[in-house]
Amino acid sequence: GAGVSQSPSNKVTEKGKDVELRCDPISGHTALYWYRQSLGQGLEFLIYFQGNSAPDKSGLPSDRFSAERTGGSVSTLTIQRTQQEDSAVYLCASRRRQGGYTFGSGTRLTVV
Amino acid sequence: QQQVKQSPQSLIVQKGGISIINCAYENTAFDYFPWYQQFPGKGPALLIAIRPDVSEKKEGRFTISFNKSAKQFSLHIMDSQPGDSATYFCAASKGGNQGGKLIFGQGTELSVKP
Repeated sequence: GAGVSQSPSNKVTEKGKDVELRCDPISGHTALYWYRQSLGQGLEFLIYFQGNSAPDKSGLPSDRFSAERTGGSVSTLTIQRTQQEDSAVYLCASRRRQGGYTFGSGTRLTVV
Repeated sequence: QQQVKQSPQSLIVQKGGISIINCAYENTAFDYFPWYQQFPGKGPALLIAIRPDVSEKKEGRFTISFNKSAKQFSLHIMDSQPGDSATYFCAASKGGNQGGKLIFGQGTELSVKP
């Protein structure tokens, strides 16, 4: 596609439930990133995939968070046993070997 | 070592004025410094970026000034317009524009009054 696609755009879930957020990067982009943006805050790095290298998971806030990237393309961010503090906009970005990030519009997650 | 500090948190400028947003970093290994613009409900979009081998880069009304010795860089928006009202983020990374993760500042909410 022309841009980075994220789904769903909005997700409301009950505390304790698991959620999966999906990111379809731009075709041919080798790098994929997940960030979290809380209300009025900056972008917090979560995880980074680059080609076939092991992902950089250094930003994942707890072991309830995990992500995978299948076939070097689509990525899924999974949050298990959601907590209210997980409420945020989750942004995905992809990048060619050279150049800036292209972000999706994000998934707004609300944990009630 | 990984922080990027951005100021001010919010900024109000009259139409036609100059908007100035500042960032400071700690990690001297950073070598790529982009600015992103974000409108409500959208993801951030790359606005302009600079490498530390130059002190200034201009693209249209947008200019990045870079001070390597002070570990500071700033975004200047000349002739600010109401359409520039958005949140602006500075960022930094290692490895140039082929590098790894970007570390973002906290953002500046810019409002340009007509």
